[in-house]
Amino acid sequence: GESVGLHLPTLSVQEGDNSIINCAYSNSASDYFIWYKQESGKGPQFIIDIRSNMDKRQGQRVTVLLNKTVKHLSLQIAATQPGDSAVYFCAENRMDSSYKLIFGSGTRLLVRP
Amino acid sequence: EAQVTQNPRYLITVTGKKLTVTCSQNMNHEYMSWYRQDPGLGLRQIYYSMNVEVTDKGDVPEGYKVSRKEKRNFPLILESPSPNQTSLYFCASSLGGVPLNEQYFGPGTRLTVT
Repeated sequence: GESVGLHLPTLSVQEGDNSIINCAYSNSASDYFIWYKQESGKGPQFIIDIRSNMDKRQGQRVTVLLNKTVKHLSLQIAATQPGDSAVYFCAENRMDSSYKLIFGSGTRLLVRP
Repeated sequence: EAQVTQNPRYLITVTGKKLTVTCSQNMNHEYMSWYRQDPGLGLRQIYYSMNVEVTDKGDVPEGYKVSRKEKRNFPLILESPSPNQTSLYFCASSLGGVPLNEQYFGPGTRLTVT
């Protein structure tokens, strides 16, 4: 079946390095993608989103890249900080079910001091 | 402060005893949704509501009910809870629209059914 998934369940990076979290999706009809950050004991928090008519979008220290050819999404975090340690989820809004949001299983980012 | 609140935050109950988890938002959002989060499965959508009196099933609606009588409230009802409904539950809201806009999540309700 169609799904949104992540390549790496855990990513460990050195403080100050850049982090790249990847996500694969399988529905080419998906229109909208979102990255969420979830810290321990808290609900998910919106980070950045991108629509399918874009390839790249930048925020504060974060960049999302969308490669529709290979159905791949990535979140890049520049100069990773200890406060970035969390689980990151990509989510997909499918045009054929516009009001549903499908989440991936998450990647845990660990920042080493 | 703009927020989504859930109550209770923690609940331990027994099989078959009806329970309700409340969700309220103060942002005048049209769209509200419930998710459950289980280890290794991420968040799965249970039900969502586009507006007052409009609700629809998500991916895992079995065993749950919802209602949307007021814009700010979206309670999740478990008529006869079972152990497989032990999970972490999140309520979320957003302005609405297509495609969905940024969703704001509540702090979560950890439910244990014995």
